[in-house]
Amino acid sequence: EVQLVQSGAEVKKPGESLKISCKGSGYSFTSYWIGWVRQMPGKGLEWMGIIYPGDSDTRYSPSFQGQVTISADKSISTAYLQWSSLKASDTAMYYCARVTAWFDPWGQGTLVTVSS
Amino acid sequence: SYELTQPPSVSVSPGQTARITCSGDALPKQYAYWYQQKPGQAPVLVIYKDSERPSGIPERFSGSSSGTTVTLTISGVQAEDEADYYCQSADSSGTYPNWVFGGGTKLTVL
Repeated sequence: EVQLVQSGAEVKKPGESLKISCKGSGYSFTSYWIGWVRQMPGKGLEWMGIIYPGDSDTRYSPSFQGQVTISADKSISTAYLQWSSLKASDTAMYYCARVTAWFDPWGQGTLVTVSS
Repeated sequence: SYELTQPPSVSVSPGQTARITCSGDALPKQYAYWYQQKPGQAPVLVIYKDSERPSGIPERFSGSSSGTTVTLTISGVQAEDEADYYCQSADSSGTYPNWVFGGGTKLTVL
């Protein structure tokens, strides 16, 4: 079974850094793109960026370029999404998903709360 | 930037047919995909490549495309179908594709 398992919920203060993870199993992790999607409270889905773990080719949505960093460690089949300095507006649920031209399957989501 | 437009809400009674539309200028050239998201859960793919249904998705879910509009149809709606539905496509006009989601449609089963 293809599965993506994300790291647990985080509560952070503004200005802190954070790295969340997404571990793939049940398929060849290096052969598919992994995408990250933001969902702010009560809002819709926003594509943030994708990475190809095979060669770490990474592409960002113009809306998120420079705001986050996407990386992957293929030796442990894990992709990452990180912030160097969080803002309150980063409070959201973050999903990873395996991407072909569509997103499937999805991880269970990681809730990030940024509050002073 | 490229946008996909969905109605904010659709309401139907159980057993009726729900139709959710998604409009975008690139849809005649790009496939569309549909996701179902129930409260507190991650999205689930219900239609890919405009009209293909993944294994495990009930036959009452179907998709179609006409010009700049794609439609998700749910025939014989059940209470369990109440959810948010999102369309998704790609904007390939730039150097790299940009994946785009519609704003979402809340399906209410009356």
